[in-house]
This record gives sequence, structure tokens and C-alpha cells, in this order.
Amino acid sequence: ETGVTQSPTHLIKTRGQQVTLRCSSQSGHNTVSWYQQALGQGPQFIFQYYREEENGRGNFPPRFSGLQFPNYSSELNVNALELDDSALYLCASSLGGSDHEQYFGPGTRLTVT
Amino acid sequence: EDQVTQSPEALRLQEGESSSLNCSYTVSGLRGLFWYRQDPGKGPEFLFTLYSAGEEKEKERLKATLTKKESFLHITAPKPEDSATYLCAVQAAGGNKLVFGAGTILRVKS
Repeated sequence: ETGVTQSPTHLIKTRGQQVTLRCSSQSGHNTVSWYQQALGQGPQFIFQYYREEENGRGNFPPRFSGLQFPNYSSELNVNALELDDSALYLCASSLGGSDHEQYFGPGTRLTVT
Repeated sequence: EDQVTQSPEALRLQEGESSSLNCSYTVSGLRGLFWYRQDPGKGPEFLFTLYSAGEEKEKERLKATLTKKESFLHITAPKPEDSATYLCAVQAAGGNKLVFGAGTILRVKS
């Protein structure tokens, strides 16, 4: 069984640029959730995708957007990067929407300069 | 608004010195309370889900318990490899997001 994978591992961007982060869900899982984790804090929910549709969103501006593909992999896109977007971005997959445990990937460390 | 508070922020133990981590929560109808372990620079690793007050779950040296207002993660005879940040999260009934606390940083010295 393959776990959750994310790419890239690390990324450095300049303020104002755009970035795309990728996530492959665990085998058999059809739900992907994205979280932002600032240093020293717990993860904060960005949004969730279930069967290619957005299934809930946290308090993040519209410049944070996402996609889920037919194979249930997912992308997180962030436009007009700000310095405060520097964080560890975590993807979690689960089976069947919101009623099952979420399993996290290793994360993408984004640094905005 | 759903909220999770973890204490202490940091805990230093000697190898073999048992202790407990606390997770206090407020949620509009609890679907589940989750414990994760996170090593530096890595994603959270799932440990336990607790669904109702009075429930207990164990895994190796860890035991998680749940009341209507808080959860405890008991660590018995810890080893240096138990050093990590332990995160607690709640999910509201009918909701899809996990609401996390800031975590407890545990250091176990040999």
C-alpha cells in the first residue's frame, strides 16, 4: 500500500509569484484535504476535495485554490504569494469524504522571500 | 467556534519517567478526537481516534483517554525515540475539517 506523497519537498518563491503544490493520495482514498502549518503551530485547514468537488473550505482567501483529478490526486495553487504564506503545506487523504481518519503526507516546505 | 488547547507547550522527561499530555477542546458536537505524532520537518503520523467519553485506546507505550471536555495522552516509561511533537485535533459532527491544537513538544533524555 502506497502512502500519501507530495511534491516538491522544498520550494523557494518570490513575493507576488504563483506556486503549484502536488499530492498523490493513499491507494484507495478518494478524499484529499490541504492544511497550512506555520512554524510552531498546528495545521490549519485550507480546503477538502471529495470525488473532484470542493467539499468545504477554511478561512483562506480565494488566491488559494485547488483541483482534484479523476485518479484522486490533487493540486494546491497559491497566487500572488505573500511573505506570510511561508509554511509547511500538508496534504491528507482519507476514504469516503469526512467520516474516516486522515493520513498525512510529508509536506512541502514553501519559503516566500 | 471549535477550539483545541494543548498543555504543556513543552515537556522534558527522563527515560522511563511516565507523564501525561492534555488536550482541552470545545466543539459543536464531537465526531472524533484525533492524536497525531509529528517529527521535525515531517507530516503528522496518525496515532488514535476517540469517539465518545470514556473510550480508551493503547499503542505500545501510549494510551489515549477521552472525557466530554478533554483528552489525555499518557506515556508510560518513555524512550528517547518517543521524542516528537504530539498534536491533538477534533472533528465536529457533520464537518470535514480537523481543528488542531498547537501541540506539545516532548523531549525524552536517556
